[in-house]
Amino acid sequence: QKEVEQNSGPLSVPEGAIASLNCTYSDRGSQSFFWYRQYSGKSPELIMSIYSNGDKEDGRFTAQLNKASQYVSLLIRDSQPSDSATYLCAVNRAGGTSYGKLTFGQGTILTVHP
Amino acid sequence: DVKVTQSSRYLVKRTGEKVFLECVQDMDHENMFWYRQDPGLGLRLIYFSYDVKMKEKGDIPEGYSVSREKKERFSLILESASTNQTSMYLCASSHRLAGGYNEQFFGPGTRLTVL
Repeated sequence: QKEVEQNSGPLSVPEGAIASLNCTYSDRGSQSFFWYRQYSGKSPELIMSIYSNGDKEDGRFTAQLNKASQYVSLLIRDSQPSDSATYLCAVNRAGGTSYGKLTFGQGTILTVHP
Repeated sequence: DVKVTQSSRYLVKRTGEKVFLECVQDMDHENMFWYRQDPGLGLRLIYFSYDVKMKEKGDIPEGYSVSREKKERFSLILESASTNQTSMYLCASSHRLAGGYNEQFFGPGTRLTVL
């Protein structure tokens, strides 16, 4: 079982719709969860971080965390063509001296069509 | 804003050459990381440094070494470049906090081609 799993997509949504991206993780000790956006040929850019169960909203983005189900999601409201990118889920590695190490999912490709 | 810079955006080297990739961050972060990213394989951690002169192997350290002589600078060294090291190399940095609140910020990446 992969440590951090995402649907690879591509996920295609029409402009203005809600895009829903999902991520599951295997390490129950993980405490920090991140979503990165990566445009083709560019480096990952941090867009959301979440540390406690529930929802966290930032503009059009909402991150949702359910530690009991080991599940993290990202909702993008009013999707725009400029949101078309690969979205990476990242989870901190628990234990030992791993302060700061993250495990990344393979990424979900999102396409927003006009 | 956090700024992480990398010495080159594109690099072409020959098999067997020694290659240096440099990364500098300006946010006084304790942690610095080197990843490589390949299609279908995602981001893989090569090496990690949590303090000056301290380093830890990541998931795929073979064929690489690192150096951290100053807090802001982290270098990745390919001792003898091989074609299977052709990849996108990404440097990142973060604070080192026990609670796990360690947002990583990435540099622009170096696309290395080994011929």
